[in-house]
Amino acid sequence: DAGITQSPRHKVTETGTPVTLRCHQTENHRYMYWYRQDPGHGLRLIHYSYGVKDTDKGEVSDGYSVSRSKTEDFLLTLESATSSQTSVYFCAIIAEMGNEQFFGPGTRLTVL
Amino acid sequence: RKEVEQDPGPFNVPEGATVAFNCTYSNSASQSFFWYRQDCRKEPKLLMSVYSSGNEDGRFTAQLNRASQYISLLIRDSKLSDSATYLCVVNTNAGKSTFGDGTTLTVKP
Repeated sequence: DAGITQSPRHKVTETGTPVTLRCHQTENHRYMYWYRQDPGHGLRLIHYSYGVKDTDKGEVSDGYSVSRSKTEDFLLTLESATSSQTSVYFCAIIAEMGNEQFFGPGTRLTVL
Repeated sequence: RKEVEQDPGPFNVPEGATVAFNCTYSNSASQSFFWYRQDCRKEPKLLMSVYSSGNEDGRFTAQLNRASQYISLLIRDSKLSDSATYLCVVNTNAGKSTFGDGTTLTVKP
């Protein structure tokens, strides 16, 4: 158990509203990631962080922003949600040894 | 072409069968390789790392062929509980991973 939690676990929102998803880890890992998973596309990287205030874009970053003001929290924000952002969002961390990733339980977001 | 490609599946096999999944990757600079298992509506979980020398964990065997840029996962004596989606994952540099789309396995009684 890598001590990763995500909140909320489920959310339904309307097009045009802002949404923030939170990823929280308890083990002081440096690298944190946000992915989305959609049928037919597998897991796609949105943004990642390699330290406090250090973030970079992944392959599907348009429409998303992130912030990491402290080691344990990595926030994903949809400034103005669209129906194409309906998805399951997973947060992940890399453990110190071996570079394998450990995932949070996911957030199911529906944008109506 | 995707950076990481897997057999599309689905694989439907009887209990006790041996099944093999394949995965190819395009970036020759890839450094580390993994197989993950994902159950329906759950997060992916690490199944095993893949080493050049090959590695085995009970009924599961993983192989890496760097020359052919190919990874495989063999499951022997399939159990009903092996039913899941199996994801091939390739790390190209420190801190970033590329996932295959996954192969779905259903083991039937």
